[in-house]
Amino acid sequence: EPRLVESGGDLVQPGGSLRLSCAASGFTFSTYAMSWVRQAPGKGLEWVAAISNTGDTIYYADSVKGRFTISRDNSNNALFLQMTDLITEDTALYYCAKWQLTFDCWGQGTLVTVSS
Amino acid sequence: ETVLTQSPATLSVSLGESATLSCRASQSVRGNLAWYQQKPGQSPRLLIYGSSTRATGIPARFSGSGSATEFTLTISSLQSEDFAVYYCQQYNDLYSFGQGTKLQIK
Repeated sequence: EPRLVESGGDLVQPGGSLRLSCAASGFTFSTYAMSWVRQAPGKGLEWVAAISNTGDTIYYADSVKGRFTISRDNSNNALFLQMTDLITEDTALYYCAKWQLTFDCWGQGTLVTVSS
Repeated sequence: ETVLTQSPATLSVSLGESATLSCRASQSVRGNLAWYQQKPGQSPRLLIYGSSTRATGIPARFSGSGSATEFTLTISSLQSEDFAVYYCQQYNDLYSFGQGTKLQIK
């Protein structure tokens, strides 16, 4: 059964950086596109970034473009999100999600808190 | 950017009755719409994709319909485990989510 486990969330000051990871198992990671989706405390879902199965095609939400970088390591079944120039509005639970027709598998999320 | 607007924000329904949730897109998304259920402290769970196709393991009391800009999620014979927040999501123009509808017990 597919499983996604995020890690790397932490408390960070505004302007700081953080790198999130997502470990995938139970499916052939290299054949699926992946995304990061976030949820601010008490709020709805916001798609953040997507990457194709090969890593050749990448998309970002306007709210993070130029500050976040999505990448993947198919050899180690891992997805990453490098976040820089963090702002308080980036405070959220960050989920990684597998894409097959839609987001059919989600991790449990990792919490990023941006605060001074 | 395609904006999804869900209504109502909160819906109160009694056990055993039916609930109808709506999702309107700012431009046509064709049939590229999904619905998710999220319970407190849990990750979202895929219910419906392609506007009307139930995901694996989803009970038949969940049904989706619509196309272009108007979509509906109907839950018949509501059970206690169905009370949650529901999100629609389009994947025709990258990805975006509606703001959610909270389904609560009346």
